[in-house]
Amino acid sequence: GAGVSQSPSNKVTEKGKDVELRCDPISGHTALYWYRQRLGQGLEFLIYFQGNSAPDKSGLPSDRFSAERTGESVSTLTIQRTQQEDSAVYLCASSPRINNEQFFGPGTRLTVL
Amino acid sequence: GQNIDQPTEMTATEGAIVQINCTYQTSGFNGLFWYQQHAGEAPTFLSYNVLDGLEEKGRFSSFLSRSKGYSYLLLKELQMKDSASYLCAVNTGGFKTIFGAGTRLFVKA
Repeated sequence: GAGVSQSPSNKVTEKGKDVELRCDPISGHTALYWYRQRLGQGLEFLIYFQGNSAPDKSGLPSDRFSAERTGESVSTLTIQRTQQEDSAVYLCASSPRINNEQFFGPGTRLTVL
Repeated sequence: GQNIDQPTEMTATEGAIVQINCTYQTSGFNGLFWYQQHAGEAPTFLSYNVLDGLEEKGRFSSFLSRSKGYSYLLLKELQMKDSASYLCAVNTGGFKTIFGAGTRLFVKA
């Protein structure tokens, strides 16, 4: 079956612009995660959604970052007034249940000039 | 606080055995995962431990000691394709998972 997909695969933007990243999880997966990975670094947790529960936003680095999810489907991560420090790969993952492995998408490489 | 520690880099020889350690201090513990990530690619799942002991899966094994907050990933019969980053991750409760910074493994001929 189809895996996790993300779009765009690459995004180059100018400092100060807003960007929107999209994630399509595997159908039926309750949980959806967003991570940020800077070059040569590990995964930095940003936010996760679990079914209809309130999302855990504890990892969002500033109020310029926000995310939404429609039911158990598509999620969008929005970064407003982008800064050069936002340049990274943004990874989305989904999981069918608690304590299950996460299935990762290919990521969106964001470059802020 | 939440803390997961792994060595930054390791180098090993093709055909050898390598052990990658992970220590963790987290507010909760519901299981530990190991993921493999090749350069420029997304992480992929390798193993999961929730009880103490060794889980073996082919050339890869993972060990967990909950009382010590310690895990290791053991890779046997190393191949060049095993050159990658290995990420230790802890489920701290519910769906929340914290990742370590990863260990970059270089396999040399």
